[in-house]
Amino acid sequence: AQKVTQAQTEISVVEKEDVTLDCVYETRDTTYYLFWYKQPPSGELVFLIRRNSFDEQNEISGRYSWNFQKSTSSFNFTITASQVVDSAVYFCALSGPNTGNQFYFGTGTSLTVIP
Amino acid sequence: NAGVMQNPRHLVRRRGQEARLRCSPMKGHSHVYWYRQLPEEGLKFMVYLQKENIIDESGMPKERFSAEFPKEGPSILRIQQVVRGDSAAYFCASSPLTGSSGANVLTFGAGSRLTVL
Repeated sequence: AQKVTQAQTEISVVEKEDVTLDCVYETRDTTYYLFWYKQPPSGELVFLIRRNSFDEQNEISGRYSWNFQKSTSSFNFTITASQVVDSAVYFCALSGPNTGNQFYFGTGTSLTVIP
Repeated sequence: NAGVMQNPRHLVRRRGQEARLRCSPMKGHSHVYWYRQLPEEGLKFMVYLQKENIIDESGMPKERFSAEFPKEGPSILRIQQVVRGDSAAYFCASSPLTGSSGANVLTFGAGSRLTVL
């Protein structure tokens, strides 16, 4: 079965704090892709990152970093020195050759950064 | 370079009416996907289309829902005889790539929010 779990429904942090959003996935595929999307209050989904299953290197992009661990089937997302503009719903998603044309999305984590 | 354009952004219908949601993919993209987001839930796949072809409609409800992507014009998601349970945000995404490797990055529109009274 293909499944993505984002156990944190809502998180609130004070500006400048670091915050980690958890994502745990299930798949039978050996090749698969993991994604993070951001949904700001305006509603659109903004692509943040794609990671394939063979690349376990952590990635950093400015204040954003991603920790991919196949051993625990996790693809966690950390925002360093959070800002009010980071307030959004963040979705983790999974796709692969056996998901057909579907992305499997988690239920999202709503992040509120308090000034 | 416009992104994925969806309209209307908000649509209100009474039970039994029809809802039509439109999606114009990004320039250069010929693959369109529709997803539905119910309150408190993630996005659920509905249908995948290429020009004039429905490739995968495994996520579409069996009745009242249909989708098309004509040779000219936007993709349309049509919901007939709407019920309250159809109230949701409907997102369209597009991709330039073909195949089902799962590597495609989907570019999403801002969504159409349907409210059924």
